[in-house]
Amino acid sequence: EAGVAQSPRYKIIEKRQSVAFWCNPISGHATLYWYQQILGQGPKLLIQFQNNGVVDDSQLPKDRFSAERLKGVDSTLKIQPAKLEDSAVYLCASSLDRVSDTQYFGPGTRLTVL
Amino acid sequence: LAKTTQPISMDSYEGQEVNITCSHNNIATNDYITWYQQFPSQGPRFIIQGYKTKVTNEVASLFIPADRKSSTLSLPRVSLSDTAVYYCLVGDIMNYGGSQGNLIFGKGTKLSVKP
Repeated sequence: EAGVAQSPRYKIIEKRQSVAFWCNPISGHATLYWYQQILGQGPKLLIQFQNNGVVDDSQLPKDRFSAERLKGVDSTLKIQPAKLEDSAVYLCASSLDRVSDTQYFGPGTRLTVL
Repeated sequence: LAKTTQPISMDSYEGQEVNITCSHNNIATNDYITWYQQFPSQGPRFIIQGYKTKVTNEVASLFIPADRKSSTLSLPRVSLSDTAVYYCLVGDIMNYGGSQGNLIFGKGTKLSVKP
């Protein structure tokens, strides 16, 4: 079974630039999560999708972050414009359905904002 | 949401049994306990999940006392490759997510296994 795929793996941009991350979840998984993990901290949930609808985006900085999940499968997370404090690893995870189902994480995208 | 408290770090030696305890004093009736493991430069990986008493799988055991206010992850005979950060999470088994139901990762316990 293929795992969660993410791209790119690494990205370096200057502040005020835009960046987009892509995630392809495990086939058949209804729930998709985007997390932000700052060095030395645990992952922080940014947004959760159930199929193509948003379940929770309470911690997403909506003035600069946006996310969509096209047709309930792939998802993109965008930052526009980026700030220095956005430097982090962005993790995508998927699970079958409920939050109690095992979350499978992708390798993450390491973003460096200069 | 039930908050969890774990030690920031632990040291061990190869071949020893390691027990990492997580405190969750405000755990609710429908809450279950899940542990994830994270290696450097990788996403977290599910280890084990339980509701009460003891759960065992091929990699770990999870001990949950009757009052469920804490849980202990037990790793038998650790090796160098078990060096990682271990996260304890508490969440509602019936919930589909949302701002009141999602699992929250704390800072985790950094386990260092020495030869």
